[in-house]
Amino acid sequence: GQNIDQPTEMTATEGAIVQINCTYQTSGFNGLFWYQQHAGEAPTFLSYNVLDGLEEKGRFSSFLSRSKGYSYLLLKELQMKDSASYLCAVRGSSGNTGKLIFGQGTTLQVKP
Amino acid sequence: KAGVTQTPRYLIKTRGQQVTLSCSPISGHRSVSWYQQTPGQGLQFLFEYFSETQRNKGNFPGRFSGRQFSNSRSEMNVSTLELGDSALYLCASSLGVQGEQYFGPGTRLTVT
Repeated sequence: GQNIDQPTEMTATEGAIVQINCTYQTSGFNGLFWYQQHAGEAPTFLSYNVLDGLEEKGRFSSFLSRSKGYSYLLLKELQMKDSASYLCAVRGSSGNTGKLIFGQGTTLQVKP
Repeated sequence: KAGVTQTPRYLIKTRGQQVTLSCSPISGHRSVSWYQQTPGQGLQFLFEYFSETQRNKGNFPGRFSGRQFSNSRSEMNVSTLELGDSALYLCASSLGVQGEQYFGPGTRLTVT
């Protein structure tokens, strides 16, 4: 089966660091995406990990461990505008590479 | 470079009617995927098109269909609308079947 788990909600303080975890069990794997979605808007691409390890992009970093079926998104120096839903998505393997399977999303609230 | 565009942005229909939604991918992108987003189910994959061919289809009834044109623009159609079809319909485009997917703003469909 296909299963992607993320915490439902998280709260953090402005200026702090927060880590959003994602675990997955899928029948195929060809990479993992992280998207940010503000209320009422479309998801915005943040990162794409195919190989194990850490990918850093400014204040955002994403980590992948394929053997553990685990990823996390790290947000540093949190800003109020980071309050949003963060979606983890796994890409299917050969023949299903255009199909992304999404977790339910983690709603992050950043407080002053 | 212009992003993914979707028309219309909002739509209100009554049960039993049909609807057609349109998606224009980023220039040069040849793969288009469609997703349905609802509060209860999250983001769910509908179908994927590449070079005018449907490569994948999600677990939706046959009332949901789509197509892609030679210029990579895509349309999806929902016939015999049901109340449960009320959702945000998102399309995402990528260069190829392995590329990063970028989402359009979505079409908010309300069925009354």
